Amino acid sequence: GAGVSQSPSNKVTEKGKDVELRCDPISGHTALYWYRQSLGQGLEFLIYFQGNSAPDKSGLPSDRFSAERTGGSVSTLTIQRTQQEDSAVYLCASSSQRGISYEQYFGPGTRLTVT
Amino acid sequence: QQQVKQSPQSLIVQKGGISIINCAYENTAFDYFPWYQQFPGKGPALLIAIRPDVSEKKEGRFTISFNKSAKQFSLHIMDSQPGDSATYFCAASSENYGGSQGNLIFGKGTKLSVKP
Repeated sequence: GAGVSQSPSNKVTEKGKDVELRCDPISGHTALYWYRQSLGQGLEFLIYFQGNSAPDKSGLPSDRFSAERTGGSVSTLTIQRTQQEDSAVYLCASSSQRGISYEQYFGPGTRLTVT
Repeated sequence: QQQVKQSPQSLIVQKGGISIINCAYENTAFDYFPWYQQFPGKGPALLIAIRPDVSEKKEGRFTISFNKSAKQFSLHIMDSQPGDSATYFCAASSENYGGSQGNLIFGKGTKLSVKP
């Protein structure tokens, strides 16, 4: 079956502009995660969705970052007034449920470059 | 505060050799320790994982060794092949850590190159 898909695969934007990154999880997966992968920094947790609600937003680095999920499926991560330090690969993962017993499947990521 | 420390940052191994990557964690609430493999342009994929009730888990050429008292775990790749060349991430998670159950805390990654 189809895996997690993300779009766009690459995004170049100017400092100060807003960007939207999209994630299509595996069908039927209720749990959805966003991570950020910066060069040499590993993967950093940003936000978790269960259905359409986000009970854990603890990883969002600033109020410029927000995310939503609709229909228990597609999720959008929005970064307002982008800064150069926002340049990274943004990864989305989904799992059938939350918890360590449920494997997280990752998408290929969106590479964001802020110039 | 970095909760999972991974070393080395990069590793070069000859074909047929053993690749060893080490991780150390701080939070004793962690009870799930997966390793992810990532090829360029792809998302990470689960390779192998261990729970703290066992000291070793083997799947094919991949073995996790776990030392609960030292709060360390390692990935061993036996008979390393050029196709194993990728970035490897260790991670830790907890079923019962406040509101963050299931969140993966990742190490910074190890870039493995296996020379033919």
